[in-house]
Amino acid sequence: LAKTTQPISMDSYEGQEVNITCSHNNIATNDYITWYQQFPSQGPRFIIQGYKTKVTNEVASLFIPADRKSSTLSLPRVSLSDTAVYYCLVGGGGGADGLTFGKGTHLIIQP
Amino acid sequence: GAVVSQHPSWVICKSGTSVKIECRSLDFQATTMFWYRQFPKQSLMLMATSNEGSKATYEQGVEKDKFLINHASLTLSTLTVTSAHPEDSSFYICSANEGASRGWSNEQFFGPGTRLTVL
Repeated sequence: LAKTTQPISMDSYEGQEVNITCSHNNIATNDYITWYQQFPSQGPRFIIQGYKTKVTNEVASLFIPADRKSSTLSLPRVSLSDTAVYYCLVGGGGGADGLTFGKGTHLIIQP
Repeated sequence: GAVVSQHPSWVICKSGTSVKIECRSLDFQATTMFWYRQFPKQSLMLMATSNEGSKATYEQGVEKDKFLINHASLTLSTLTVTSAHPEDSSFYICSANEGASRGWSNEQFFGPGTRLTVL
């Protein structure tokens, strides 16, 4: 699986838009990009997945440039409850394989 | 959405004893489940892939005789930590994918985790 690089931590304030960028220079042609959220002492929760361009769901947007060597998770109007660790993963999108988690980004939202 | 449960949510045991952790898919069938381990302030590490009706596949460095995995049905996988020691204290998390039951989806569903403390 392609290795990913994310900022270790980020700070923001309630109501702001937060963008977390992930680098994956060695992404393979058949790899998808998936983001998970994890709160302390809980299992990760799927946020969004994409292959190219832009994907949007009810909680986030995922922007992927044409070269797919990076991706940006965008969280609109964050709240205190968005404080969590966010993991960017790349790999087969079919869900048939175990996931390789990087170090993740610890996002801290302040009032 | 699909729900995965784990039992127990936490357990404390004495060194040398064995502990069994259950992972259940509540509203879907999972031919494949995954077991992860997470130490404090670290990321999740894949331990093994649990396959219904066949032997589990272990990641490099994970002792298969210490971490016994049984996937006897399409909704239940168990992880038994045998002869547990304090260094086995960790947060154990399972995940499952709906897989062939609804066509492969791109989302893995994680259980809430089990906190194991070995004294």
